[in-house]
Amino acid sequence: DGGITQSPKYLFRKEGQNVTLSCEQNLNHDAMYWYRQDPGQGLRLIYYSQIVNDFQKGDIAEGYSVSREKKESFPLTVTSAQKNPTAFYLCASRRNQNQPQHFGDGTRLSIL
Amino acid sequence: EDQVTQSPEALRLQEGESSSLNCSYTVSGLRGLFWYRQDPGKGPEFLFTLYSAGEEKEKERLKATLTKKESFLHITAPKPEDSATYLCAVQAPQGGSEKLVFGKGTKLTVNP
Repeated sequence: DGGITQSPKYLFRKEGQNVTLSCEQNLNHDAMYWYRQDPGQGLRLIYYSQIVNDFQKGDIAEGYSVSREKKESFPLTVTSAQKNPTAFYLCASRRNQNQPQHFGDGTRLSIL
Repeated sequence: EDQVTQSPEALRLQEGESSSLNCSYTVSGLRGLFWYRQDPGKGPEFLFTLYSAGEEKEKERLKATLTKKESFLHITAPKPEDSATYLCAVQAPQGGSEKLVFGKGTKLTVNP
């Protein structure tokens, strides 16, 4: 079945450590997105990519980095510069700007 | 600044008790309004897209409507399995790209 796969489902980060969250889609979608979800807040956009080898900062990009080397993959690295990384991270994709975004089932990141 | 406000924050219904969720928005140049359903620990699941005032969409017990300033998600004779958080998002042009702005959601609980 076509869909968006995020892994791992749970991730723990030590102080000073970078961690990478995986997002893979087999929907042949051009655009991919990373959001952060915190309790009581709406989804906030971290980074997005509308085409391979190109990406743009969202509203809360500080402390995060991404790459888009393949159409189907958009990994997110949470760096040690992100001082409050504990959150639920959601990856989304969509075919074009006239279509809705579809989401993966998220990665929950916690601090050890 | 584009804003999306959902109300109420939480809603408890008895099975069969119909009600409505509200999503009010202030954006420049609405390109689309999206409704999603999110279960605990899961990613949002797409429900509807509405593009212009007066438009309506239906799916099973759910009906979404749109005016120039707000959208309603009507739930008719809800069942316990309709319990979830319902998210509203609007799409508007920002700096040459199309971004989604999310509300904080309405947590719906349907008691048997």
